[in-house]
Amino acid sequence: NAGVTQTPKFQVLKTGQSMTLQCAQDMNHNSMYWYRQDPGMGLRLIYYSASEGTTDKGEVPNGYNVSRLNKREFSLRLESAAPSQTSVYFCASSKGALSYEQYFGPGTRLTVT
Amino acid sequence: AQKITQTQPGMFVQEKEAVTLDCTYDTSDQSYGLFWYKQPSSGEMIFLIYQGSYDEQNATEGRYSLNFQKARKSANLVISASQLGDSAMYFCAMREGRGYQKVTFGIGTKLQVIP
Repeated sequence: NAGVTQTPKFQVLKTGQSMTLQCAQDMNHNSMYWYRQDPGMGLRLIYYSASEGTTDKGEVPNGYNVSRLNKREFSLRLESAAPSQTSVYFCASSKGALSYEQYFGPGTRLTVT
Repeated sequence: AQKITQTQPGMFVQEKEAVTLDCTYDTSDQSYGLFWYKQPSSGEMIFLIYQGSYDEQNATEGRYSLNFQKARKSANLVISASQLGDSAMYFCAMREGRGYQKVTFGIGTKLQVIP
């Protein structure tokens, strides 16, 4: 079991460039999430997918889009990167109900210059 | 109002001593879940412990226990017999809302264990 995998691990973009962060889980979890982590801010939820075929906005969705490609995969797209999107991005998954914890990927460190 | 408040930016504890990390939360939901995660310097997020709003007993997982005081809306993490490997950032989080998909994290507390 690989758990939650994310690619790439590091990325540097220029302002205005686009890219997609990939996330996959092999635990048959229903729910998947994208967070960003900034110094002094904790983790903030960007988007989530409660189940295959559904996506919803979290706390900070502006500038991002997501796709729940299938049960395993949940991608995050930056259409036109901005320096304010410099952050560490974490993907997570969970079985979905109240009591279930989230399992996190290793993170992607993104720098936008 | 902040959903999750962690007021201790940094804490020090002597090895083998116990330490309490504070967390208060704000929700109008009757049913919600509270979690603690650990983030070592290597960056991964590790689940430690869960407490449901209807659970009458405080949750425990090995050396971790959650001191849940519902009326005060607090969910403090207690680490007993601290070890050097406990040095890390600790985040309190809450699940609430429709389908319990709304997850909010606190800003974290940095714990350093002193030998």
